[in-house]
Amino acid sequence: RKEVEQDPGPFNVPEGATVAFNCTYSNSASQSFFWYRQDCRKEPKLLMSVYSSGNEDGRFTAQLNRASQYISLLIRDSKLSDSATYLCVVNEDTGRRALTFGSGTRLQVQP
Amino acid sequence: SAVISQKPSRDICQRGTSLTIQCQVDSQVTMMFWYRQQPGQSLTLIATANQGSEATYESGFVIDKFPISRPNLTFSTLTVSNLSPEDSSIYLCSEAPQGGVNTEAFFGQGTRLTVV
Repeated sequence: RKEVEQDPGPFNVPEGATVAFNCTYSNSASQSFFWYRQDCRKEPKLLMSVYSSGNEDGRFTAQLNRASQYISLLIRDSKLSDSATYLCVVNEDTGRRALTFGSGTRLQVQP
Repeated sequence: SAVISQKPSRDICQRGTSLTIQCQVDSQVTMMFWYRQQPGQSLTLIATANQGSEATYESGFVIDKFPISRPNLTFSTLTVSNLSPEDSSIYLCSEAPQGGVNTEAFFGQGTRLTVV
C-alpha cells in the first residue's frame, strides 16, 4: 500500500469550474500536511499547508481529517493558470524530516 | 526562503557512464535530500545527505549506485553510476525545512537525465 495515495486524474475542467482533489495517508503518526504544485518540467512548490481546522487561501481551501487520514484540496473558479499537477505531501516526522509525496493529480483547465 | 541552484539542468548520457549532479544552497542547511522522479511518477526519496557523515539511503537505493557527497553545509552532489536506461529520470535536491516540520521545503530546479 502506498504511503500517500491520490487519484492521478487527469481532471479536465472548464474555466470557472470548482474541482476537488482527495488524498489519503497511511501513517497515523504523520505530523504535517501540504499541497504542492508542480508545473510541467519544473520543481514542486508549496501551494499551501493543511491544518486540522481547515484553511483557505483565496480560491483554494484545504481540509484535513486526522481520524480518516484524509486530506482534500478545493479549487474554486478555476483559471487556465491552475493547470498543473497537485501533489499531496506528508511529513511523517520520523526524525529525518524528508517529505513523502503522493503520485500527484493532474489538472487541466480548459478555455 | 532558500534558493537552491542545481546543475546540470539536463543531460544525455551513454550507458555505463556516470553523471554527477550538484546542488548549491544560498544558506547553511543541516540536511539535504535527494529525490528521483521517474516519468509520470511522484518524487521518491533516494537519500539524506548529512554534513560530516555518510548519507542515509532509503530502501532500494545503495551507495555504490548513488554515491553522495556533502563537504559543507551549503553544497551536495549526487552521482548516478553505471547508467542504464532505467535511470532516465528527473533528480531533485531539497533542503530540510528550516522553520520546522510545518514550513515549506525548497527544491532545486531538477536535473533531467536521459540514458541512451
